[in-house]
Amino acid sequence: SAVISQKPSRDICQRGTSLTIQCQVDSQVTMMFWYRQQPGQSLTLIATANQGSEATYESGFVIDKFPISRPNLTFSTLTVSNMSPEDSSIYLCSVDDWWSQRNSNYGYTFGSGTRLTVV
Amino acid sequence: QKEVEQDPGPLSVPEGAIVSLNCTYSNSAFQYFMWYRQYSRKGPELLMYTYSSGNKEDGRFTAQVDKSSKYISLFIRDSQPSDSATYLCARAGGTSYGKLTFGQGTILTVHP
Repeated sequence: SAVISQKPSRDICQRGTSLTIQCQVDSQVTMMFWYRQQPGQSLTLIATANQGSEATYESGFVIDKFPISRPNLTFSTLTVSNMSPEDSSIYLCSVDDWWSQRNSNYGYTFGSGTRLTVV
Repeated sequence: QKEVEQDPGPLSVPEGAIVSLNCTYSNSAFQYFMWYRQYSRKGPELLMYTYSSGNKEDGRFTAQVDKSSKYISLFIRDSQPSDSATYLCARAGGTSYGKLTFGQGTILTVHP
């Protein structure tokens, strides 16, 4: 399966500032996904990032708050803008290598996450 | 109604027990179902995926899908303390098979 490197692994930020999270994959993938996992909660999809096009955001998430870049098939960034304590969460990127890994049971791989605390 | 419902537990069992984890889903259009395991401070790790109704076995793990009742299960045989984690069920479907909808997760503790 694809190997994902996510940076930073954790950060403590002041309210009103922005943090950019990087996601690097060791192989080319068509789709990359950004999820949020709030404390004690399950994962919620923020947006889907395709190379060469605008990211597609889920209901409740907007580009001004979570701008995403996808400059090539192995890299993406998520920025959490104008942060408030409510943004304290774990942010995870995931890749869809489903079609290339269909028979190997390694279809959807996640990074280890970025643990963000806003103070 | 949430698309995927999962009993959050927590669930505590002795080592060697058979563990049953369950989820229900609401949309019969869902086709692919997955179970993920998430250790503390780690990202989710794919355990199993299933497409059709029936059972799929991998070592001590068995995934079961009943599409008629919209019910998915994960069984863990001979549970070990190393199985202690949060288990998340998920479905894939819609415009992208990589777009996953997760259940709330069940916290499992296997004590020696």
